[in-house]
Amino acid sequence: EMQLVESGGGLAQPGGSLRLSCAASEFSFSSYWMNWVRQAPGKGLEWVASIKENGSEKYYVDSVKGRFTISRDNAKKSLSLQMRSLRAEDTAVYFCATKILEPGDAFDIWGRGTMVTVSS
Amino acid sequence: EIVLTQSPATLSVSPGERVTLTCRASQSVSSNLAWYQQKPGQAPRLLIYGAFERATGIPARFSGSGSGTEFTLSISSLQSEDFAVYYCQQYSNWPPMYTFGQGTKVEIK
Repeated sequence: EMQLVESGGGLAQPGGSLRLSCAASEFSFSSYWMNWVRQAPGKGLEWVASIKENGSEKYYVDSVKGRFTISRDNAKKSLSLQMRSLRAEDTAVYFCATKILEPGDAFDIWGRGTMVTVSS
Repeated sequence: EIVLTQSPATLSVSPGERVTLTCRASQSVSSNLAWYQQKPGQAPRLLIYGAFERATGIPARFSGSGSGTEFTLSISSLQSEDFAVYYCQQYSNWPPMYTFGQGTKVEIK
């Protein structure tokens, strides 16, 4: 079964850093764009960042540009999100997601998410 | 930035009823629109992509329509497992700037 499993969430102080990881299994990880999507408590979904199959292109939502860095290790089938200068508004469940099964760019495989809380 | 506006915010319905959810885009997204279902504590689940194509394993009671700026998700006969929050998402931009609607909660009447 194709699977994504996030880890690395937890409590961070404002201005602090945290690194999230997403481990992929049962699919050809290096063949697909990968994405991070977040959801603040009780709120809707927000796309955060995307990275091309070989890591050569990266895109971010404006609110995290210059603070977050998306990266991948295809040999380890792993996706990462380095988060710096964290703010209270970054508090959310962070999902990794990708498009594998269906045409187009909708996300058809999601992890269960990891919770990030930014608070002093 | 393309803004997606979903209506209504909440829909109270009885099992067996037909429901229609709407998603409007601030500019044309062609047919690059998806619908997701999310239940509490779970990840979103892709229902519809390309505005009207059902994702693998999605029951036929779910259908999508529309193009350009106006889209609908219909559930022909609501089942108990369909009570959830539904989000639309556009993926028409390049470079990617995916945006989601704010969601419609379908609750039991």
